[in-house]
Amino acid sequence: GQQVMQIPQYQHVQEGEDFTTYCNSSTTLSNIQWYKQRPGGHPVFLIQLVKSGEVKKQKRLTFQFGEAKKNSSLHITATQTTDVGTYFCAGRFTGNTPLVFGKGTRLSVIA
Amino acid sequence: NAGVMQNPRHLVRRRGQEARLRCSPMKGHSHVYWYRQLPEEGLKFMVYLQKENIIDESGMPKERFSAEFPKEGPSILRIQQVVRGDSAAYFCASSPRGGANTGELFFGEGSRLTVL
Repeated sequence: GQQVMQIPQYQHVQEGEDFTTYCNSSTTLSNIQWYKQRPGGHPVFLIQLVKSGEVKKQKRLTFQFGEAKKNSSLHITATQTTDVGTYFCAGRFTGNTPLVFGKGTRLSVIA
Repeated sequence: NAGVMQNPRHLVRRRGQEARLRCSPMKGHSHVYWYRQLPEEGLKFMVYLQKENIIDESGMPKERFSAEFPKEGPSILRIQQVVRGDSAAYFCASSPRGGANTGELFFGEGSRLTVL
């Protein structure tokens, strides 16, 4: 079936360091979304990217969608302890298919 | 405006029993999605429903699992004759639109099923 691969699986950083997680698909995506799940919590929507080459920023978070619409990244500048959690990308392959989630990147921030 | 409500939050069942998980979508949302999450794993799509209709059940196991979203009341995910491998967190999500215009999914807090 169609899959969305996400790396790395885990990332441990010192507070203040940057963090990046990558998402890849072998097939062109219609759009991609990013979610954050705190430990013991539920996924919370962060952003949706639709256009080829799109870049969106939310404070210290920068989201990119590749030119070929097959990959995406989330970059966090100067991590804080509140950034702890698992970040999931979720791709939609065509308009009517369900969101396919990557396995997530679990971020730990050491104060 | 209440969010997506799921209950029970925690459910313990013995092998062979039935599990019923309920989900009330956000007000004004008629599209409901069920996802399963195993520990340290991502969310795996199970089924997509709109009021009284199953739109996509491609992720649902063919046996023992069923879902409904009646005209009145919550969506229900039913697991018959549970086995240990069914132990997982089951998340429900809702959206006001479907198809290409689905946009953001709003997730409930999940139902954590443990099968003894």
